[in-house]
Amino acid sequence: NAGVTQTPKFRILKIGQSMTLQCAQDMNHNYMYWYRQDPGMGLKLIYYSVGAGITDKGEVPNGYNVSRSTTEDFPLRLELAAPSQTSVYFCASSSTGGDEQFFGPGTRLTVL
Amino acid sequence: GENVEQHPSTLSVQEGDSAVIKCTYSDSASNYFPWYKQELGKRPQLIIDIRSNVGEKKDQRIAVTLNKTAKHFSLHITETQPEDSAVYFCAASISGSARQLTFGSGTQLTVLP
Repeated sequence: NAGVTQTPKFRILKIGQSMTLQCAQDMNHNYMYWYRQDPGMGLKLIYYSVGAGITDKGEVPNGYNVSRSTTEDFPLRLELAAPSQTSVYFCASSSTGGDEQFFGPGTRLTVL
Repeated sequence: GENVEQHPSTLSVQEGDSAVIKCTYSDSASNYFPWYKQELGKRPQLIIDIRSNVGEKKDQRIAVTLNKTAKHFSLHITETQPEDSAVYFCAASISGSARQLTFGSGTQLTVLP
C-alpha cells in the first residue's frame, strides 16, 4: 500500500492564481482531512470528509474548497491565492473504526 | 471549540536524560489524545495515544499520562537518544463520527550528545 499520497510536493503561486492540491489514499478509509501547518505552529484543520459526497468545514476553511467524489480522493482547491495561504498542507485519512490519522508527505506552497 | 495548549515550546536535554512535554485541553468531552513526532521536512507520525478510560500508557521508552479532572496530559521520554530530536505535537479529539484533531503548537526537542 502507498498509504496517503499528495501531489505536488512543492508549488509557487502568484497572488490571484488558483490550484488544486491532490490527495489520495489506498487504505479504503472513509475519513479524510486537510490541515495546514504554518512555520513553527501546529496543524490546523481546513476541511474534512466522512465519506464520498460528504464534506464539512474545519477551523480555517476560508479561501479553500474541497470535494469528495470517491473514497480514494480528496482534492483541496485554492481560489485566488493570497500570501496568507503560504504554508505546508497535509492530507490525512483514518478508518471508520479507528482513531489514528495517517498523514501524507505534505505539499509546500508559497504564494508570492 | 477545543483549545490545546502545549509547553514548553523548546526543550533541550542531555542524551540519556528524560524529557517531559505537557498539554492541557479545554473541552471535557475530548476522549482521545494522540502524540505525533515530526522530523524536519517530514510528515507527522503517531508515536503513542491514550484514551480517556485509562490514566497511563507505555511503549518502551515512551509513556503518556492523562489527568481527566485537571484536563491535562503529558508525554514522557526516558533514556533520550539523539534520534529523539524532533518536534512533538499533542492533540485532542472527541472519538466519534469525525475525530477532528485539535493540535498543540509543538515542542522542539533537542537531545544533546
